[in-house]
Amino acid sequence: GAGVSQSPRYKVAKRGQDVALRCDPISGHVSLFWYQQALGQGPEFLTYFQNEAQLDKSGLPSDRFFAERPEGSVSTLKIQRTQQEDSAVYLCASSPAGEGGTQYFGPGTRLLVL
Amino acid sequence: QQQVKQSPQSLIVQKGGISIINCAYENTAFDYFPWYQQFPGKGPALLIAIRPDVSEKKEGRFTISFNKSAKQFSLHIMDSQPGDSATYFCAASDLLTGNQFYFGTGTSLTVIP
Repeated sequence: GAGVSQSPRYKVAKRGQDVALRCDPISGHVSLFWYQQALGQGPEFLTYFQNEAQLDKSGLPSDRFFAERPEGSVSTLKIQRTQQEDSAVYLCASSPAGEGGTQYFGPGTRLLVL
Repeated sequence: QQQVKQSPQSLIVQKGGISIINCAYENTAFDYFPWYQQFPGKGPALLIAIRPDVSEKKEGRFTISFNKSAKQFSLHIMDSQPGDSATYFCAASDLLTGNQFYFGTGTSLTVIP
């Protein structure tokens, strides 16, 4: 079956631009996560949704970062006024109910802020 | 503060050898410990996972050893193959209070033919 998909796969933005990153989770998955992965590092948690409810946004690095999942399926991570330090791979993962924590990751969006 | 510490940073193993990657954690509330494999340009893919009620889990050539008292767990890759060359991440999660994963910093494994 189809896995988690993310778009765009690559995004180049000029400093100060706003960007929107999309995640299509596996159909029927209740939970959705966003992670930020800097070059050569492990993914770091940004935010978590259960259905349309954002239950944890403690990892968002600043108020320039905003995520939504209005209908409980597709999610968008928006970064306003991008800065060079926002350059990273943004990973989305989804998890079904009752699978005890298993998260399935998408291929990521590589964001480069110039 | 790094919740999960992983070592070594890089590892070179001969084909057919055993690859061993170690992780340590501090939070005793963690109750789920997955290992992920990541190839360049791809997202992490779940390899194997363990819960603290068992000390070892084996799936094919991959084994997790878990030491609850030492708060350590490790991944063993038996009969390592060149196709295993990738970056491996351990992670930990407290499924009761929240589902976020805390990842280690990764181990770049190279298997030499």
